[in-house]
Amino acid sequence: NAGVMQNPRHLVRRRGQEARLRCSPMKGHSHVYWYRQLPEEGLKFMVYLQKENIIDESGMPKERFSAEFPKEGPSILRIQQVVRGDSAAYFCASSSTGGFYEQYFGPGTRLTVT
Amino acid sequence: AQTVTQSQPEMSVQEAETVTLSCTYDTSESDYYLFWYKQPPSRQMILVIRQEAYKQQNATENRFSVNFQKAAKSFSLKISDSQLGDAAMYFCAYPQGAQKLVFGQGTRLTINP
Repeated sequence: NAGVMQNPRHLVRRRGQEARLRCSPMKGHSHVYWYRQLPEEGLKFMVYLQKENIIDESGMPKERFSAEFPKEGPSILRIQQVVRGDSAAYFCASSSTGGFYEQYFGPGTRLTVT
Repeated sequence: AQTVTQSQPEMSVQEAETVTLSCTYDTSESDYYLFWYKQPPSRQMILVIRQEAYKQQNATENRFSVNFQKAAKSFSLKISDSQLGDAAMYFCAYPQGAQKLVFGQGTRLTINP
């Protein structure tokens, strides 16, 4: 019974390159959430998706960031033209339904921009 | 805006003793859940305990229990018989709009052998 899977675990990009982070939710889960954690801080919500739909993207920066959760395959968080300030740990979580049910987190992807 | 506040950036406790981590939150909702997550050095976020606001009984999971004071909007975590493996960052979290989790700043817990 695999948990939430994220890959890669570590990603190094030079300024101006693109970063693509992948998240496969737990089996049976159709709700995916992305969070960002800057060093020494708590997690900050970015976006909430269901299959083929973005439900809430209020935490996403207006430019360069996008997310999708296609009908088939993992959810993707895409960061275009990365800058040093994008260096952080990005966590994906999934839940079986929305609402109050607990979210199960993946191991995170640590993005370093050089 | 709904917020979650953890006023203790760091705490330490002797192995086998008890420690309490504080959390306060702000919400206008009447029915909600509250969570404590643990983040060890591996950075994996692990759900420790969940409290349902409509339940007056405090949640308990083995050595972990909460003191939930709804009127005071307080949600503290008590760890009994502390073990070395309990060393981690602990985050209190509240689901805003029943969807996105709002996390506190975290408390770094050190266990002294």
